[in-house]
Amino acid sequence: ETGVTQTPRHLVMGMTNKKSLKCEQHLGHNAMYWYKQSAKKPLELMFVYNFKEQTENNSVPSRFSPECPNSSHLFLHLHTLQPEDSALYLCASRRTSGGYEQYFGPGTRLTVT
Amino acid sequence: GIQVEQSPPDLILQEGANSTLRCNFSDSVNNLQWFHQNPWGQLINLFYIPSGTKQNGRLSATTVATERYSLLYISSSQTTDSGVYFCAVEPISGGYNKLIFGAGTRLAVHP
Repeated sequence: ETGVTQTPRHLVMGMTNKKSLKCEQHLGHNAMYWYKQSAKKPLELMFVYNFKEQTENNSVPSRFSPECPNSSHLFLHLHTLQPEDSALYLCASRRTSGGYEQYFGPGTRLTVT
Repeated sequence: GIQVEQSPPDLILQEGANSTLRCNFSDSVNNLQWFHQNPWGQLINLFYIPSGTKQNGRLSATTVATERYSLLYISSSQTTDSGVYFCAVEPISGGYNKLIFGAGTRLAVHP
């Protein structure tokens, strides 16, 4: 238990569906992150939020839409995904100002059919 | 951007053996962390170690920031040590407030 929770843990969706992933952190951190981990590939940083403001978008396709309503919650809204989007999606959080440890949630394993 | 290289990519050990995993990075960093990813995908924090040496049970880590590398030592390995070990760094320039990951070392410990 790292203090970062993610729901759902597993998700199967069709290419025409709309779904959302949820992340919540109970650590009092101000920065939150979405990462994607595809099979046999390194972790790819998707989005960074700092004090609810998006500070980084690593050229992520628009079918992935993040939302950060407050410093404790982060969502990833999914629509019209492709089979190649099947992956493990990991949420993380940390305090910023440099030099602080980052913690990860357990991940959502997404399968797009 | 910064490059993070981990070696070896794969490692097979007999239970009880010792091993050293290496992480090289191409630029100066604010932060360096080692993680263990278990078979269910959870990333577990092992060390926050931008410099110096730390020990936690059978694991220890050393980062030599001036030479841009870090080492993770696993002693008396157990089957539960199996999984993927990641090194991640926060660059001082061009990467504030985010961790860049290496490709990982996949470790299998056999009984």
